Parts: sequence; structure tokens; C-alpha cells
Amino acid sequence: AQKVTQAQTEISVVEKEDVTLDCVYETRDTTYYLFWYKQPPSGELVFLIRRNSFDEQNEISGRYSWNFQKSTSSFNFTITASQVVDSAVYFCALSERDRGSTLGRLYFGRGTQLTVWP
Amino acid sequence: NAGVTQTPKFRILKIGQSMTLQCTQDMNHNYMYWYRQDPGMGLKLIYYSVGAGITDKGEVPNGYNVSRSTTEDFPLRLELAAPSQTSVYFCASSLRGEAEQYFGPGTRLTVT
Repeated sequence: AQKVTQAQTEISVVEKEDVTLDCVYETRDTTYYLFWYKQPPSGELVFLIRRNSFDEQNEISGRYSWNFQKSTSSFNFTITASQVVDSAVYFCALSERDRGSTLGRLYFGRGTQLTVWP
Repeated sequence: NAGVTQTPKFRILKIGQSMTLQCTQDMNHNYMYWYRQDPGMGLKLIYYSVGAGITDKGEVPNGYNVSRSTTEDFPLRLELAAPSQTSVYFCASSLRGEAEQYFGPGTRLTVT
């Protein structure tokens, strides 16, 4: 079973629209971490945010905001006033302890391809 | 500060050939990882290391080997390349196991 589900495979919006990327995760751990990464057309993976399971406060960074809800096991990502440069694949990832060790293995969702049209 | 570097950027291998993908980080991170990314599938963990001399298998280790003799370097060895190993390979490192991972630029490998 997928530990991280990104149900939206592709999203297209027009510049200046707001867009929300959904992420649903599954874990039995009480301590875990959630991440979002951006992969632009150039191919590199860029870290955007890390959230631990004890901090449910929403976070805003410029045009980006994240909504973490443990009750629904979701960690959604909203881009406000989207721009063409936001076009990329966005990955949500979960880190939980691997076999009781201190290592947090990253489990990635399959990604959402966001295309922002001018 | 270069972060995580990978070589080569591209490579074409014939079936049965072997090669080593190089990965180096200059952030003094103890944790290092190798992932492969197949189209539409996200990233899957191949091997990881929590420090020099310590490595362990990830989700898809078959057909690969790793070593970690120094903190900086974490090479990935492909033995007897197969078409199923055609993929983009990413190396990453992190300060702690639960910390954010920083990725290299990737190696695009084609096995024909």
C-alpha cells in the first residue's frame, strides 16, 4: 500500500490562479515527518518544507502555504497567485522510523505535475 | 559549498556491463541515500548509509551495491546492467535521519 498518496497526477492552471496540491499519508508512528519537494523541468529536487507530527500549525512562506491536518492524515500545499515558474512536479514525502532505528526513511508520493499557463 | 555532486550526468550502458555512479557531499552529513526515479513513480530508495562503514538496503536494492569508506563519498555500483535499471538516479544526504534531504542533480542512465 502507498504510504503517501498524491491523487492529482496533473493540474493545469492559468497564471495568478490559486492551486492546492493534495497529499494524504499513512503511518502507525506517532513521531513522523512530512516534506514537500519541487522538481522543476531541469530535474533537480528542491526541498520546500519539513513538518513534524507534533506541530499542526499551518505555515506560510511567501506565496506558499501548507495545511497539516492529523485528523485526516493530510498535508496539503497551496500556491497563491501561481506563476509560470511554479510549473514543476511536486512531491510529498513521509519520513518514519525504519525498523525501530533512528533513521527516517523517506517515502515519496508519485508526484503532481503542475503546469501554469501564462 | 557545492552540496551534493553526482557524476556522470548521463550514461548509456549495454546489457551486462557494469559501472559506478559517484556521489560526493561537502556538508559533513552522516546520512546518505541513493534513489531511483522512474516515470510517474516517485522516488524509491535503493541503499542508504548512516555513516562511514555502515550501509543498509532500501526498498529496491537488487542489482546494486554500495560502499561508504568516507563521510563524503557514497558510490553506487551496478553489476551486470539490465534494461530494468534504466532510470534517473539521485544521491541525497541529510544531517540526521529525520532531517530534510539534499539531493544531487541526478544521473540519467539508459541500459540497452
